[in-house]
Amino acid sequence: AQSVTQLDSHVSVSEGTPVLLRCNYSSSYSPSLFWYVQHPNKGLQLLLKYTSAATLVKGINGFEAEFKKSETSFHLTKPSAHMSDAAEYFCVRNAGKSTFGDGTTLTVKP
Amino acid sequence: DTGVSQNPRHKITKRGQNVTFRCDPISEHNRLYWYRQTLGQGPEFLTYFQNEAQLEKSRLLSDRFSAERPKGSFSTLEIQRTEQGDSAMYLCASSLVGGGPDMYNEQFFGPGTRLTVL
Repeated sequence: AQSVTQLDSHVSVSEGTPVLLRCNYSSSYSPSLFWYVQHPNKGLQLLLKYTSAATLVKGINGFEAEFKKSETSFHLTKPSAHMSDAAEYFCVRNAGKSTFGDGTTLTVKP
Repeated sequence: DTGVSQNPRHKITKRGQNVTFRCDPISEHNRLYWYRQTLGQGPEFLTYFQNEAQLEKSRLLSDRFSAERPKGSFSTLEIQRTEQGDSAMYLCASSLVGGGPDMYNEQFFGPGTRLTVL
């Protein structure tokens, strides 16, 4: 079955330091991949999506992700974390009948 | 607010009761999806509609679960004879499917309905 694996259930960084949230996907035909963020008591919000047009994808709030076919990865990065980035992040495969990873909780320390 | 709305936001019920949740998608969106999210897990796809047609329901968790979208606008998800294991967040999402591949279409999510079965 097609799937995504988020390699870290929790990531903690200090404010102003880089963020790396890791996602691997199971290999098959070229997938579409998304990153969503979920803040407490709020709906899931799209950060960015990969649709095969470009391997480096820029999203909202300074986030970006790079699609690496050779590594079957789609890791999410941000150069400098902000307190407001603290949330749950989901790597998602395909739209429609989407397959979600189990999520990574990002904690940002002052 | 023109986003996806869900009602109620919270529902507490006793085991064996029936519950119904409502989702109002973004008005011009033709696709509507239901997901379930349990604690510590990512959302799990349940079913989806294109306009009023239910295109897949095999992922509904049991025959106690049913969904409708009678006029191609709002949708309801019903759970009959609730069990404690049904306690979860139920999410609705909508998207506009047009000329491009469906796999690329962004879904817009509602805030969810949190169900607690006592």
